[in-house]
Amino acid sequence: DQQVKQNSPSLSVQEGRISILNCDYTNSMFDYFLWYKKYPAEGPTFLISISSIKDKNEDGRFTVFLNKSAKHLSLHIVPSQPGDSAVYFCAAKHFGNEKLTFGTGTRLTIIP
Amino acid sequence: DAGITQSPRYKITETGRQVTLMCHQTWSHSYMFWYRQDLGHGLRLIYYSAAADITDKGEVPDGYVVSRSKTENFPLTLESATRSQTSVYFCASSDPTSGGLETQYFGPGTRLLVL
Repeated sequence: DQQVKQNSPSLSVQEGRISILNCDYTNSMFDYFLWYKKYPAEGPTFLISISSIKDKNEDGRFTVFLNKSAKHLSLHIVPSQPGDSAVYFCAAKHFGNEKLTFGTGTRLTIIP
Repeated sequence: DAGITQSPRYKITETGRQVTLMCHQTWSHSYMFWYRQDLGHGLRLIYYSAAADITDKGEVPDGYVVSRSKTENFPLTLESATRSQTSVYFCASSDPTSGGLETQYFGPGTRLLVL
């Protein structure tokens, strides 16, 4: 039972354009969401997070949007750069519970 | 050098052998985790530990054993390796009392091949 789903295994975007990565979840108890970025042969690194009391969080070129009624979140990268090419994992947790549930990942390729 | 390290980075073993993957963190984080990454499954939690001598099962614990005698170390043992345990293994740590960002910090991973 996949509680966190990333339905697009891969995405290609032209450099300078917007990249939008999507994530859906089924567990209504989740109230904190994170995005991780992973380069080959490295561990995932934290990118941005959002709690359920917000619907948007920005950090530079990265913005995460949360739609609680749809149980959907998205990561926007604007403008996309070649260094953004990586696998992006969405993750969710209950606030106060340290365990994370991860999605299957989306491989983003930025085309120069 | 501070951070979270894993050893070995690469390991080839045979079916039936015992293998131990090591994880060490220098932050004194209370929580530590072991994940495996497989194509089509993302990252799945194997075991986690809230503190020294406290461990608990994750999503896919069968065939694995953990221990945590010291806060900084969290070894993962495959008691009798099977081909289905071929994977990339990641260790992570977190500190819920930090008062800051709620996130986990990951090691560089161990790529394990079971022949």
